[in-house]
Amino acid sequence: QKEVEQDPGPLSVPEGAIVSLNCTYSNSAFQYFMWYRQYSRKGPELLMYTYSSGNKEDGRFTAQVDKSSKYISLFIRDSQPSDSATYLCAMSRAAGNKLTFGGGTRVLVKP
Amino acid sequence: DVKVTQSSRYLVKRTGEKVFLECVQDMDHENMFWYRQDPGLGLRLIYFSYDVKMKEKGDIPEGYSVSREKKERFSLILESASTNQTSMYLCASSLLGTGGTEAFFGQGTRLTVV
Repeated sequence: QKEVEQDPGPLSVPEGAIVSLNCTYSNSAFQYFMWYRQYSRKGPELLMYTYSSGNKEDGRFTAQVDKSSKYISLFIRDSQPSDSATYLCAMSRAAGNKLTFGGGTRVLVKP
Repeated sequence: DVKVTQSSRYLVKRTGEKVFLECVQDMDHENMFWYRQDPGLGLRLIYFSYDVKMKEKGDIPEGYSVSREKKERFSLILESASTNQTSMYLCASSLLGTGGTEAFFGQGTRLTVV
């Protein structure tokens, strides 16, 4: 079993809809939780990170971490065609430590 | 603008060849990483380094080695390329410690072994 599980999708939504992404993990030592966005033929880029449990909001993006359930989520409000990408969750035990990634979810936002 | 540069975007190599993938970062980061990315498997860590001449095995080091002679450069070496090493290879760097939450990635090298 993988340490971090993520539904591969693809997830297809109409423009303006809320996109809901999630990951589950098995290692309770993870303390830092990140979401990366990867456009086709590009390297991943960091969207958001959260330390321990809680919520974090940045514009249209909200990240949630529930350590008791070992479950993290990313919500994208008012989705745009430019949000079409692969979204990867990642986790680490400490800041600056190696990252363990989920498999990525491909998202397609249709105009 | 921060930058991680990988030497090639696309490479085609023959089975058995020794292959070098180069990565350079200009952010004075201590940590550097090599991942491979395969459909449905996400990014898997091959090797990482937290200092010059230091290296640590990741989750899938078999068939690979690395070299870090200078802080800004981290090389991935495929000693004898095989077809199952056909993949997208991604280099990343980050700061050590509390400033190192974000890893910056290069554009990737798509390697095909024939």
